[in-house]
Amino acid sequence: SAVISQKPSRDICQRGTSLTIQCQVDSQVTMMFWYRQQPGQSLTLIATANQGSEATYESGFVIDKFPISRPNLTFSTLTVSNMSPEDSSIYLCSVEDASAQGPYEQYFGPGTRLTVT
Amino acid sequence: QKEVEQNSGPLSVPEGAIASLNCTYSDRGSQSFFWYRQYSGKSPELIMFIYSNGDKEDGRFTAQLNKASQYVSLLIRDSQPSDSATYLCAVAGGGADGLTFGKGTHLIIQP
Repeated sequence: SAVISQKPSRDICQRGTSLTIQCQVDSQVTMMFWYRQQPGQSLTLIATANQGSEATYESGFVIDKFPISRPNLTFSTLTVSNMSPEDSSIYLCSVEDASAQGPYEQYFGPGTRLTVT
Repeated sequence: QKEVEQNSGPLSVPEGAIASLNCTYSDRGSQSFFWYRQYSGKSPELIMFIYSNGDKEDGRFTAQLNKASQYVSLLIRDSQPSDSATYLCAVAGGGADGLTFGKGTHLIIQP
């Protein structure tokens, strides 16, 4: 499976600021996704990062709050904007090679632990 | 709205026994089913996937799928203390979809 890295691994930020999280894959992948895992909770899909077009957001998540870029097939960024303490979570990117035969396994990066004070 | 239900546990199983983890899902259009293991402070690790009715075995792990009952399970044979973790059930529709996760089952293997 692909090797996925995320930067930063963790950060402590002040409310009202923004943080951009990077996700880098060591091989080209078709699909990249961003998830959030709030403390003690399971994972929630934020959006699908589409290469060359706007991201597709899930219900409850909006582009102004979580802008996403995907300039190529190995890299994506997620920005958490105008942060509040409720944004304190682990943010994870995942990748999936949809060119392979199904069922399109998804693999996760190590995550970015964000604390907003 | 897609929902995936799991018993949060904790599920306590003696070492060497079989651990049985269960999951139900609401969307009948779901096509692919995954089990992830997550250790505390770590990201989820894919351990099994299944998309056809029946059983799929990989080492000590067996995934079982019953689409008619909208039910997925994971059996862990010869449970080891290192299997102690949270097990997340995840479901996807057809094609390259994002995943819908259950809340996870906390499994404890007692030495």
